[in-house]
Amino acid sequence: KQEVTQIPAALSVPEGENLVLNCSFTDSAIYNLQWFRQDPGKGLTSLLLIQSSQREQTSGRLNASLDKSSGRSTLYIAASQPGDSATYLCAVRGGNEKLTFGTGTRLTIIP
Amino acid sequence: ETGVTQTPRHLVMGMTNKKSLKCEQHLGHNAMYWYKQSAKKPLELMFVYNFKEQTENNSVPSRFSPECPNSSHLFLHLHTLQPEDSALYLCASSQVGQSGTYEQYFGPGTRLTVT
Repeated sequence: KQEVTQIPAALSVPEGENLVLNCSFTDSAIYNLQWFRQDPGKGLTSLLLIQSSQREQTSGRLNASLDKSSGRSTLYIAASQPGDSATYLCAVRGGNEKLTFGTGTRLTIIP
Repeated sequence: ETGVTQTPRHLVMGMTNKKSLKCEQHLGHNAMYWYKQSAKKPLELMFVYNFKEQTENNSVPSRFSPECPNSSHLFLHLHTLQPEDSALYLCASSQVGQSGTYEQYFGPGTRLTVT
């Protein structure tokens, strides 16, 4: 059974700093990995999707990497802003087409 | 409207009530999903509909009853719920093709409180 872990559960950093969020998964047989953002009480917004054949994806200040063999992904946020404060969720799609989610990292950017 | 919409956004119901959650996707996708998000737990997949056919029922209690009348609409009918069913219920849609399933797009969710 696939398990997804995100560490740390919460992170606070000053505005302007670069930061890395971590995601690990137990079964490396995945089709893709997706990073989402969730604001309090709201739905999920897809940030980046990395196919299993890819190593990284970039969108603006965000860069996600994937190391399938070691079961790890990172989300790098450059020059953090208060608007980046949210919960970031990692999800992997396995052979059964299901998305398995982690519990998320709650990020707070301190102005 | 664009994307995935859900109504109502908030719902408070007693344990003996019957209510329905509605989801509509405007993305032309052929698969729709219901997820449950409880505090401090990962999102749990409840149901999957692919081309209007239910392809997944993730051991969900029968007090939750899904309905997918067409590829754009998805309902979750609720009856005799328990307080532990209080959660954020999220709907999502995606395109499923021969090469696999593409990224899922989520609605804003319905915050359900069972009293």
